[in-house]
Amino acid sequence: AQSVTQPDIHITVSEGASLELRCNYSYGATPYLFWYVQSPGQGLQLLLKYFSGDTLVQGIKGFEAEFKRSQSSFNLRKPSVHWSDAAEYFCASLMDSSYKLIFGSGTRLLVRP
Amino acid sequence: DVKVTQSSRYLVKRTGEKVFLECVQDMDHENMFWYRQDPGLGLRLIYFSYDVKMKEKGDIPEGYSVSREKKERFSLILESASTNQTSMYLCASSPQAGVGYNEQFFGPGTRLTVL
Repeated sequence: AQSVTQPDIHITVSEGASLELRCNYSYGATPYLFWYVQSPGQGLQLLLKYFSGDTLVQGIKGFEAEFKRSQSSFNLRKPSVHWSDAAEYFCASLMDSSYKLIFGSGTRLLVRP
Repeated sequence: DVKVTQSSRYLVKRTGEKVFLECVQDMDHENMFWYRQDPGLGLRLIYFSYDVKMKEKGDIPEGYSVSREKKERFSLILESASTNQTSMYLCASSPQAGVGYNEQFFGPGTRLTVL
């Protein structure tokens, strides 16, 4: 069955430091891949998505993600974290022609001043 | 701007009550979804609907039902609320599979507490 794994439950970084959040998927073909962010008390907001083409995807708020087929990964990165980036981040995948998003369990990002 | 709205941000109900959670989208999307979100478990799909009056069970449908009488509105019903249904409930919508991107747009969520 298709699954998405986010191995880090919590990550703490200092403001201004770089960030990488890990995501691995299990699916034979290339799925559609997404990163969502959820600020405290809010719904989910799409940061970026990958369907095909360039494996480095740019998103909103200065985030980017790189699709690596050989590693079945779609890691999210940001070169310099801001305190407002503290939130929970979800990776998700969607099989072609499917309605159903499969979510990882989320990574909570804490930002030290 | 795309918009998914949910009828309540916070809701407190008693065990055994019938609970309705309402979701409305203004994007003319075919697909609508109900998820529940619990710490450490991410989002789990309860039900989804790909057309008016059509529905399919998700991963955790037990104790829930849904209704979609109009394209823009998707209701989640807890027939007899129980304390283990205390959770955050998120509604989402997306365009029809195969037509453009299938990203889902989420509402702000309803935090339901069952006492």
